Amino acid sequence: ETGVTQTPRHLVMGMTNKKSLKCEQHLGHNAMYWYKQSAKKPLELMFVYSLEERVENNSVPSRFSPECPNSSHLFLHLHTLQPEDSALYLCASSQEVGIYEQYFGPGTRLTVT
Amino acid sequence: AQSVSQHNHHVILSEAASLELGCNYSYGGTVNLFWYVQYPGQHLQLLLKYFSGDPLVKGIKGFEAEFIKSKFSFNLRKPSVQWSDTAEYFCAVNASGTYKYIFGTGTRLKVLA
Repeated sequence: ETGVTQTPRHLVMGMTNKKSLKCEQHLGHNAMYWYKQSAKKPLELMFVYSLEERVENNSVPSRFSPECPNSSHLFLHLHTLQPEDSALYLCASSQEVGIYEQYFGPGTRLTVT
Repeated sequence: AQSVSQHNHHVILSEAASLELGCNYSYGGTVNLFWYVQYPGQHLQLLLKYFSGDPLVKGIKGFEAEFIKSKFSFNLRKPSVQWSDTAEYFCAVNASGTYKYIFGTGTRLKVLA
């Protein structure tokens, strides 16, 4: 399989649950990203990883915890979320950070009840 | 704070009409600029990008964009739209040398056959 894949595609969780979102890229890229897309708001960059090292944390609450065990995989661990965290979470990858095109996955639609 | 403005949120055109979508950003330094498109049911994908050189850049499917530094703008154009151009279009800015990517809120384009 090629491109960027994300699982699960849909997730409903309670505020006390712990869950994880998974992203996998098969493109040999060195940079990976997590974005949040809420209705009528711009895509918000959450985290950037370059060569498995977190290089950007865009003031994201600690209830979101990223993990990048290798250059192909990126996780977003979720715990004690709030209803306002309901959104589409997109993963992307690029050859390197900066001028390179980002390749996006299909997203995980998260609903917090 | 850096920001990207896309003033047209919804645009409806007839086939063969000309298209221009506005994008303005606020950042005084060197930038890398992108237009992404999301067709119905598909992932975000790159239309075109600018990082240096000729300020008029050409992308896929007949799209082009012009970087006007003095106006902090990167407007997207197409001389004659097709029904298949129906999609949501996002402008994005990366401040050169940083890991920050700022997206606009997007413009939904509907082309009537």
